[in-house]
Amino acid sequence: QLQLQESGPGLVKPSETLSLTCTVSGDSISSTYYYWGWIRQPPGKGLEWIGNIFYSGSAYYNSALKSRVTLSIDKSKNQFSLKLNSVTTADTAVYYCARLEMSYIGSRIDPWGQGILVTVSS
Amino acid sequence: SSELTQDPAVSVAVGQTVRITCQGDSLRSYFATWYQQKPGQAPVVVIYGENDRPSGIPDRFSGSTSGDSTASLTIIGAQAEDEADYYCNSRDSSGNVMFGGGAKVTVL
Repeated sequence: QLQLQESGPGLVKPSETLSLTCTVSGDSISSTYYYWGWIRQPPGKGLEWIGNIFYSGSAYYNSALKSRVTLSIDKSKNQFSLKLNSVTTADTAVYYCARLEMSYIGSRIDPWGQGILVTVSS
Repeated sequence: SSELTQDPAVSVAVGQTVRITCQGDSLRSYFATWYQQKPGQAPVVVIYGENDRPSGIPDRFSGSTSGDSTASLTIIGAQAEDEADYYCNSRDSSGNVMFGGGAKVTVL
């Protein structure tokens, strides 16, 4: 059964870089069909797509965050990672990693990790 | 446009039917995927594609598309456990992914 688990610091200072890793178990991250992505949810608010990465390293980013976001993938560890630089309090959110199916039908995000709360505060 | 619009809240009596809509230009080309999110939990897919339910999702959940740009999630015979936030999701031809703002469903 495919499972994803986020890890990283729960507290980041303003202007610093938020770094999270997602460990995938139960399937290879080298799938030629699925993307691996990040979605966040500020407390009490809705879901926001951050970006996706393919096993080859090609990535898509939310245009609103693109200048601050970098996704990477480590096939040897079956992990992918998120870096968000120059964070502000507006970046405080639960961050989810997930597997994405992108097809002519649409997008399907399943499964999701349990989420990790990252607070930006000095 | 890369936006999806949902009504923010809706209520339904136990056993009755509720429809949640999602509107956006991307739905002219792609189906919506619908997610249920309960407090403190990650979202779970309830409907994807034209009207497919993952295993374990009750058949009281169904999806449809009307007109050119509106998708709907219908719960027929709502149960107390269906009280949750529901999000629609789609993509565009550039590979961007978007979510609706979410609809809070209250079961009375």
